[in-house]
Amino acid sequence: GAVVSQHPSRVICKSGTSVKIECRSLDFQATTMFWYRQFPKQSLMLMATSNEGSKATYEQGVEKDKFLINHASLTLSTLTVTSAHPEDSSFYICSASVDRGDYGYTFGSGTRLTVV
Amino acid sequence: AQSVTQPDIHITVSEGASLELRCNYSYGATPYLFWYVQSPGQGLQLLLKYFSGDTLVQGIKGFEAEFKRSQSSFNLRKPSVHWSDAAEYFCAVGAAQAGTALIFGKGTTLSVSS
Repeated sequence: GAVVSQHPSRVICKSGTSVKIECRSLDFQATTMFWYRQFPKQSLMLMATSNEGSKATYEQGVEKDKFLINHASLTLSTLTVTSAHPEDSSFYICSASVDRGDYGYTFGSGTRLTVV
Repeated sequence: AQSVTQPDIHITVSEGASLELRCNYSYGATPYLFWYVQSPGQGLQLLLKYFSGDTLVQGIKGFEAEFKRSQSSFNLRKPSVHWSDAAEYFCAVGAAQAGTALIFGKGTTLSVSS
């Protein structure tokens, strides 16, 4: 239980275009979704926290106009990388906190974004 | 400041040997502690977690971790490493409530030699 499905797993886009990454909670309601970015051989850096129905809270240094996060329902959160540039190439992972008896976190399988 | 420190960037262990990956944390509230494993290009898999109670927790794949509050540590151990354990390991800390993001350490790369 508590599965988050993340799509696409890989995407290649041209500079200047936008890319949308989706994360869906399949068997639970994700009130809060977290978006992380991971550079090669590095740790996961929190980009933003999104709560269903409200604006996302971005971490310091993360451009909110470039990384648009929408959490319109309890089962879907999206991250749109707008006007992508090569420096946006990275591995993006979503995560949801699971507020059940066995509290924990569940992660999507990640999206490898390459901007050419 | 809240942080997680994994002092070892890269560790190489012989297959069949024991393993210990270190993790120290700094957290203002009661910490919930996690260990995750990540294979190249993949997402994160939870190995184990500690919320409260017995400070020695058992996880999947034969891993265990011990919470030591006095040392602010949550080290991961395995008595006998298998070649398939080669991966990136992340320690993470979170708050005792849903809706709070995890803070991750920089990770430790485990290589297993034959």
